[in-house]
Formats: sequence, C-alpha cells, structure tokens
Amino acid sequence: GQNIDQPTEMTATEGAIVQINCTYQTSGFNGLFWYQQHAGEAPTFLSYNVLDGLEEKGRFSSFLSRSKGYSYLLLKELQMKDSASYLCAVMDSNYQLIWGAGTKLIIKP
Amino acid sequence: ETGVTQTPRHLVMGMTNKKSLKCEQHLGHNAMYWYKQSAKKPLELMFVYSLEERVENNSVPSRFSPECPNSSHLFLHLHTLQPEDSALYLCASSQEGLVDEQFFGPGTRLTVL
Repeated sequence: GQNIDQPTEMTATEGAIVQINCTYQTSGFNGLFWYQQHAGEAPTFLSYNVLDGLEEKGRFSSFLSRSKGYSYLLLKELQMKDSASYLCAVMDSNYQLIWGAGTKLIIKP
Repeated sequence: ETGVTQTPRHLVMGMTNKKSLKCEQHLGHNAMYWYKQSAKKPLELMFVYSLEERVENNSVPSRFSPECPNSSHLFLHLHTLQPEDSALYLCASSQEGLVDEQFFGPGTRLTVL
C-alpha cells in the first residue's frame, strides 16, 4: 500500500529553527509537495521537490532524498504566524496526490 | 485569496436532509477535486473531474453525488448522511496534464446530527 508518515505534532520557540520530516512509500514518484494549513483555512502550496537536494525559498527550505523515500521541511527564524499544520504529499505514478496526516506545529514565545 | 471559493462555509444538517456544497474556481484550471478532511487523518480524495468528466471515484458512498456542469463549477450533493460524514470538505483545482500544485478553497465544515 501507499503510505506517508510525518509526526503528529511538534513544538518550537519563536526565532528558532524546526525541521519537519516526511517519509513515504508510494507506487511511483512524480514529486513531493509541502502545504501549509492554518486552522480553519485552506491548505496553501509551499514547495515542490522532484530531484534530490535542497530547495530554498526565503525562510523555508525543503529537502528530498528519493533513494531514502525521505523529505524534510526546514523553517528558520520562526514566527508566531508559522503556527499551522504542515502537510506532506507525494504524487504517484498515476499523478494522484497521496497525503500525509499533517504535522501540527506549535510556536511558543 | 486562492481563486477557489466554496459555499457554504459551515453547514449543519440532519441525517434525512438533502443539501449541496458549491465550489467555483477563477483560475482557468481544467481539473477539480473534492477532498474530505477529518481530524488527524490524511486528506481523502473523493472525486476528480478533468475537462468536466469524472475520472476518479475512490469508492465513495452513493450518498455523496458530485456534479461538474462546467470547468469552473463543482457541486457535491448530499443526502441521508451519517454522523461519521461530519468533516471539512475541501475543493481544489489544478491544470490537468501538468505536475502542478493544487489550489484549495477554504472548505465547508459539515456537521451531521
């Protein structure tokens, strides 16, 4: 079966750095997405990785290792507004998105 | 503003009611999706429409009935729902044929009594 694993909840301090991990087992791979979802709002796109390595976009970076079936989202200089759920999703060989359950990130002052 | 709107934002209905959820996208996309989001569970894909044709059903109970009259509008008709159907229902759109992100609406929070 297809499976995406990510931690249920993480806590970090304002101004610090946090890494949210995602491991996957899917039938085929056409890229990995990270989305941010604030409580009661729509998921919004953060990043897309299809090749191994690190993609940096401002305070957020996303890393992919296809051989390990592993990705992480790195958030730097954390702000209170970064408190949200972070969803990992993999596009399989049928170009369908397989979703993780999301990681709820709590930022403390 | 993501360009995808959903109405209503909140809905409470009894098990014998009939209601419809509406989604509209203003992005010129040709694929639209219905997802169910329950607490602490992965997003569940319910239906996919590409070029107004349904291409994915995912074994959704028949009490959920989708309709896609054109590439900008998507409906989810609900009847004789169960309490376990209470969830956030999200609509999304994308450009079919591209490995591209999906754009989501804000969702309808459905409570079935």
